[in-house]
Amino acid sequence: DTAVSQTPKYLVTQMGNDKSIKCEQNLGHDTMYWYKQDSKKFLKIMFSYNNKELIINETVPNRFSPKSPDKAHLNLHINSLELGDSAVYFCASSQDPGAGGYTFGSGTRLTVV
Amino acid sequence: AQSVTQPDIHITVSEGASLELRCNYSYGATPYLFWYVQSPGQGLQLLLKYFSGDTLVQGIKGFEAEFKRSQSSFNLRKPSVHWSDAAEYFCAVGARTNAGKSTFGDGTTLTVKP
Repeated sequence: DTAVSQTPKYLVTQMGNDKSIKCEQNLGHDTMYWYKQDSKKFLKIMFSYNNKELIINETVPNRFSPKSPDKAHLNLHINSLELGDSAVYFCASSQDPGAGGYTFGSGTRLTVV
Repeated sequence: AQSVTQPDIHITVSEGASLELRCNYSYGATPYLFWYVQSPGQGLQLLLKYFSGDTLVQGIKGFEAEFKRSQSSFNLRKPSVHWSDAAEYFCAVGARTNAGKSTFGDGTTLTVKP
């Protein structure tokens, strides 16, 4: 049973399209995150939700919109995709934000052409 | 603001040799500190963490790290490296406030020579 699962694993799409990435965790954690990893493997936080409430919203274009229907799910919707959005997007969860460390999903590789 | 520096972009060691990966952090108080490993095409896996107590922490896969407050460092060590340890290693500092946001270093790529 995968602890943090993301779908799809790969996503290739054209510029201007709208796409969603889904994340689910079965660990019972209260907090979930989206991180973006660029081509140089730099990791930057995008968003965090705690029990369906948005608690971290970094400087991210408003084309990116997270949604958390319940504390086990955190989805990421991206409008009007641009070439620069190509990256690997990681979902993560934590029971104890700060001290507990994260459990990461295996990532979604988004390629915009 | 919290930040992490991993001075070594790429390290190569021979299999069976010892390993030390460096990490320096900046944080206004006692931080939460983590090391993660990322194998190609995979997500990150937590190796170990420090938040209080004994400054030498043991992790999975035979790794350990030592917190040195005076040097603002949290270096990762392994006494004998295996070929399967080749991966990307990330140090991270976690906030005690700000929703526990973790800030990651830029990573160190470890290559293991046979």
